[in-house]
Amino acid sequence: KAGVTQTPRYLIKTRGQQVTLSCSPISGHRSVSWYQQTPGQGLQFLFEYFSETQRNKGNFPGRFSGRQFSNSRSEMNVSTLELGDSALYLCASSLVTPSNPLHFGNGTRLTVT
Amino acid sequence: AQSVTQPDIHITVSEGASLELRCNYSYGATPYLFWYVQSPGQGLQLLLKYFSGDTLVQGIKGFEAEFKRSQSSFNLRKPSVHWSDAAEYFCAGSNSGGSNYKLTFGKGTLLTVNP
Repeated sequence: KAGVTQTPRYLIKTRGQQVTLSCSPISGHRSVSWYQQTPGQGLQFLFEYFSETQRNKGNFPGRFSGRQFSNSRSEMNVSTLELGDSALYLCASSLVTPSNPLHFGNGTRLTVT
Repeated sequence: AQSVTQPDIHITVSEGASLELRCNYSYGATPYLFWYVQSPGQGLQLLLKYFSGDTLVQGIKGFEAEFKRSQSSFNLRKPSVHWSDAAEYFCAGSNSGGSNYKLTFGKGTLLTVNP
C-alpha cells in the first residue's frame, strides 16, 4: 500500500502571499489530519477532516484553513503568510476507530521570506 | 491539561550500547501512547503503540516500551543501538475513547550514536 503522499516537498513564499498544500491519504483511510512542526513549538495539531467535514481544529488563526474531497484527499491553505509560518507541515491519515494510529507523510517544508 | 513530557532533549550513546528514552504523560484517564521516529527531512514513522493490556509493547526495529501507570511513564528501550537509529524520537498521547487524530507530542529527544 502506498503511504501518505504530500506535495510539494518544498515551498518558498513571500510574506503576504498564500499557499496551498496537498495530501493524499493511505487508501481506505478517511480521516486526514494536519500538524505544524517548528523548532520552537514542536508538533502542533492544526485540524482534522473526515467525510469532507472538519471535526476538530487546533489553536491556530483563521488564516489556516483546509478542506477534504470526496476521495479523502485533503488540502490546507495558509493565507497572508507571515515569517512565523515557516515550518514543516505534516499530514497524517488514519482509520477512524480510536485505536488506530496516525500514519504520517514526509511533509511539506514551507519557507516564508 | 493533557501533556506529554520528554525530559531529555539530546542523548548520545555508543553503537552497541543499550538505550532508554524517557516519556511522562499527564492525562485524566489512561491515554493511548505512541512512539514515533523522525529522520532528517522526513516525516514521522510509528515505532510502537500502547492501547491497553500487556504493559510491555514490542515495536519495529527492535524497540520496545513499557507502560507504567504508577509512574505515568512510557519509556522506549532498545538493547543494542545501531548507527542507523540516530534520529529524533517523539512520544505522543491521545485520549482513549476519544479522537485518535489529535495527538499531543512531547518536544522530542535527539539521539546521536557514536561509532
